[in-house]
Amino acid sequence: KAGVTQTPRYLIKTRGQQVTLSCSPISGHRSVSWYQQTPGQGLQFLFEYFSETQRNKGNFPGRFSGRQFSNSRSEMNVSTLELGDSALYLCASSFSTSPGTEAFFGQGTRLTVV
Amino acid sequence: GIQVEQSPPDLILQEGANSTLRCNFSDSVNNLQWFHQNPWGQLINLFYIPSGTKQNGRLSATTVATERYSLLYISSSQTTDSGVYFCAGDAGGTSYGKLTFGQGTILTVHP
Repeated sequence: KAGVTQTPRYLIKTRGQQVTLSCSPISGHRSVSWYQQTPGQGLQFLFEYFSETQRNKGNFPGRFSGRQFSNSRSEMNVSTLELGDSALYLCASSFSTSPGTEAFFGQGTRLTVV
Repeated sequence: GIQVEQSPPDLILQEGANSTLRCNFSDSVNNLQWFHQNPWGQLINLFYIPSGTKQNGRLSATTVATERYSLLYISSSQTTDSGVYFCAGDAGGTSYGKLTFGQGTILTVHP
């Protein structure tokens, strides 16, 4: 069974640009969550999607957005990039988000903003 | 939201030593998990352990949900155990997919 796949693995972007990251969950998993990891803030929750609906959102500015497709694949977009957006972005998939559900993470996308 | 405190923040061991990592939660949590982050950044699942005790080889974990803490035991440590260990959980209810992570324990195992 394939794991969670994130693409691309590495990205270098310039301030002011926008970027789109992709996450393909484990087959059969319908919930996808996104996290940002930085040395200063640690791992922080961005948002969660289930059956194409955003059900939960963290405390990030509106420049961070996401969506989920009917095949459960998810994308997140960051517009007007800032230097502080440089981070490792991780997505996690799970069968659902009810109690009793384990989350599995992809390898991450390392974004560098210059 | 819930707060997660991990201790110790750093741990340095000689190969073969045993260690215990702790995770305290400010409130009751669901879906408590332990992860090991590899050098490439991926979070590797170690244990899904909302309560009770589990063992997997040299690793074992115990969660006492009523007292809001979890422990990860590493026995006979190896250099390949080095890395960052995280615990995480969610508050249940409408906290869909929102795992709250501790700041991690950085483990270094010397040969």
